[in-house]
Amino acid sequence: EDQVTQSPEALRLQEGESSSLNCSYTVSGLRGLFWYRQDPGKGPEFLFTLYSAGEEKEKERLKATLTKKESFLHITAPKPEDSATYLCAVQVPGTASKLTFGTGTRLQVML
Amino acid sequence: NAGVTQTPKFQVLKTGQSMTLQCAQDMNHNSMYWYRQDPGMGLRLIYYSASEGTTDKGEVPNGYNVSRLNKREFSLRLESAAPSQTSVYFCASSRSRDSVSNQPQHFGDGTRLSIL
Repeated sequence: EDQVTQSPEALRLQEGESSSLNCSYTVSGLRGLFWYRQDPGKGPEFLFTLYSAGEEKEKERLKATLTKKESFLHITAPKPEDSATYLCAVQVPGTASKLTFGTGTRLQVML
Repeated sequence: NAGVTQTPKFQVLKTGQSMTLQCAQDMNHNSMYWYRQDPGMGLRLIYYSASEGTTDKGEVPNGYNVSRLNKREFSLRLESAAPSQTSVYFCASSRSRDSVSNQPQHFGDGTRLSIL
């Protein structure tokens, strides 16, 4: 069974304090790993797709990396507007683009 | 720039009542999905439609039915609502049409459903 585990469950940072969120996965083959951001009362917003080990993607203060067993979302010098829940999801072959989601990391960035 | 639109945004039902949640996308996407999100459980797939005219069960289909009305619209029906179906329901769509593609899914803002 495909499994996705995110850690930590919650993270509180001071503005400017860099950190990383972890997404570990156990799947029978990986077609893609997806990162989403979810704000309270909203749907998940797509951030990145990673396809193979060693790949990296960047967007503003966020950088996502991928290994064969896990992905990291690095947040550099975060700002309060980066506060959100970050979700990780995996897609495996032969599943009609279905995603298996982790439970998310709730990030709070304080002034 | 609508993307994925879900209606209603909020709904309260009594046990045993029926209801249909509506979803429409304007991105000409092929695939559409219904998820539920519960505290501590993450997003779980209820049903999906890989292309117009097809629907398949996801992880938690019991108690639900779906209709892919056309390429734009995908509805979720609760025939006899139960308190265990209290949740936030999200609809999503993606350009993917088959198991080979790996396009991202784009989500609506959800329907918050309470069943008393």
